[in-house]
Amino acid sequence: GDSVTQMEGPVTLSEEAFLTINCTYTATGYPSLFWYVQYPGEGLQLLLKATKADDKGSNKGFEATYRKETTSFHLEKGSVQVSDSAVYFCALSDHATGNQFYFGTGTSLTVIP
Amino acid sequence: DSGVTQTPKHLITATGQRVTLRCSPRSGDLSVYWYQQSLDQGLQFLIQYYNGEERAKGNILERFSAQQFPDLHSELNLSSLELGDSALYFCASSVVAAGTQYFGPGTRLLVL
Repeated sequence: GDSVTQMEGPVTLSEEAFLTINCTYTATGYPSLFWYVQYPGEGLQLLLKATKADDKGSNKGFEATYRKETTSFHLEKGSVQVSDSAVYFCALSDHATGNQFYFGTGTSLTVIP
Repeated sequence: DSGVTQTPKHLITATGQRVTLRCSPRSGDLSVYWYQQSLDQGLQFLIQYYNGEERAKGNILERFSAQQFPDLHSELNLSSLELGDSALYFCASSVVAAGTQYFGPGTRLLVL
């Protein structure tokens, strides 16, 4: 069945460091891929998405590229800020399985000044 | 603010009781999803409704039920509550059945 695998956290970085959070997926069809972010005490917010292979989603300095050949959608940011501290979820939606969303387990990021 | 509202924000109740969580989707969204988030299980999809009808079912217990009303708001009913049901319950909505989901702020349920 469909699934999403994220790198284990927690991740702790210093401000201005480079961030990579790995995400790989298994899907029956050709899914859409998403990154959601959950700030402390809040609900999930859509961060970025990509709907087909080689698409790059970007928002607030974060980027992720849909790589069909490696079934990956890694999240990157060149220079993190303290305000980026949150939990990040990778997710997919697959037409072949009725468009149900599958979420990864989440990766907690803490950025220290 | 995603435009999805959930009430109540917090709920404290006892084992064996029944509670109802309410969700109002974004204006124009036809689909509503319910999720449970706990420390040990992560984010679990429970159920999806589209325009009043059940669309997809995930890891929803038989003690739990949901419905979507003609005005498109949705309610999640949790009965015979157990300590392990303590969690954050999120509602999300999307325009179409397969669209990008927008999440509400959640209801924090504590079962004592």
